[in-house]
Amino acid sequence: KAGVTQTPRYLIKTRGQQVTLSCSPISGHRSVSWYQQTPGQGLQFLFEYFSETQRNKGNFPGRFSGRQFSNSRSEMNVSTLELGDSALYLCASSYSGSGGSPNEQFFGPGTRLTVL
Amino acid sequence: AQRVTQPEKLLSVFKGAPVELKCNYSYSGSPELFWYVQYSRQRLQLLLRHISRESIKGFTADLNKGETSFHLKKPFAQEEDSAMYYCALSGRGSSNTGKLIFGQGTTLQVKP
Repeated sequence: KAGVTQTPRYLIKTRGQQVTLSCSPISGHRSVSWYQQTPGQGLQFLFEYFSETQRNKGNFPGRFSGRQFSNSRSEMNVSTLELGDSALYLCASSYSGSGGSPNEQFFGPGTRLTVL
Repeated sequence: AQRVTQPEKLLSVFKGAPVELKCNYSYSGSPELFWYVQYSRQRLQLLLRHISRESIKGFTADLNKGETSFHLKKPFAQEEDSAMYYCALSGRGSSNTGKLIFGQGTTLQVKP
């Protein structure tokens, strides 16, 4: 099976702009989670989508949003970019079946966003 | 508060020495605990999870609910074990399974 893919891999934006990042999960996986990774804060959970619905959300401002399509592909959007949004954005997919135990999350390579 | 603490940023050992990467957690409820690993230029990947009770690449981790710890151990370190290790937790139930809370990570350096 092909792994999780993220596009683009690198992105440079300026303050005030907006950006959209894309994530294609492993075939058959219905859950997509997004994380922000920075040297100072480490890996922080942004949100999770399952069957096109946001199922869980982290403590990020409303400038960070996402969505999921019927084919489970997901996008995240950051509006009004700030310097502090510079980070590696990771997405992860999992099968997330009907059981209550968390399934293994498979991570993509990340999108490196630089805000100037 | 939900929190994962990895007290060591860097752990440096010689090949063949025992390794213990510490992880403590705070969670109101019964969490699932994981260790993820990131080798140089590779993606973050699952190493092991407490519910499977497996030994992967010689690593084991036991969940100690009394001490709220999930330390990762290996009796004899190998140079190929050099990597960044993250301890993570997730709540149970479908509303929590997609959210991982990570520690800050520990870089393991195994010297020849």
